[in-house]
Amino acid sequence: GDSVTQMEGPVTLSEEAFLTINCTYTATGYPSLFWYVQYPGEGLQLLLKATKADDKGSNKGFEATYRKETTSFHLEKGSVQVSDSAVYFCALTSGARGGSNYKLTFGKGTLLTVNP
Amino acid sequence: DAGVIQSPRHEVTEMGQEVTLRCKPISGHNSLFWYRQTMMRGLELLIYFNNNVPIDDSGMPEDRFSAKMPNASFSTLKIQPSEPRDSAVYFCASRGLAGGGQFFGPGTRLTVL
Repeated sequence: GDSVTQMEGPVTLSEEAFLTINCTYTATGYPSLFWYVQYPGEGLQLLLKATKADDKGSNKGFEATYRKETTSFHLEKGSVQVSDSAVYFCALTSGARGGSNYKLTFGKGTLLTVNP
Repeated sequence: DAGVIQSPRHEVTEMGQEVTLRCKPISGHNSLFWYRQTMMRGLELLIYFNNNVPIDDSGMPEDRFSAKMPNASFSTLKIQPSEPRDSAVYFCASRGLAGGGQFFGPGTRLTVL
């Protein structure tokens, strides 16, 4: 079945440090890949997505590139801020191209803490 | 534009009581999802509706759980009777286009004593 593996946390960085959170996946069909962010006490927010190989999703300084050859979708940010402290979830939906790929499979989440 | 709305935000109840969680999806979205989040099991999909019809309820833990979507702008998740192991945060999410991202509500934190 489909699965998502992301690096175990917690990750603690100083402000302006470079961030990488690794994510790899196994899936059937043609997965779309997502990163969600969950701030304390809130629901998940879609951070970025990529729907086909070599696509790069980007938002708020975060980027992730859909690498089919390595089945990866690593999240990166060049300079983190205290406000980026949150839990980050890698996720995918998969299914036949054009099919009803509704089911999100989530990784376990990575807690990021950024210190001033 | 309002996001997904859930109520209540917090619910504390005693074992054996009925609990009803409510969700209003984003206007125009035709897919709705209920999730449960716990430390032990992470995020679990409970049920998925498309155009108000339940498509996949394989994640509903047992018969104590039921969900309805009487119209495009409202859904409920009911637990009867509730048990302490049902304590979790329950999220509702909606989606517009197939293949697009799901938009989550703020969640309902349920505590069953």
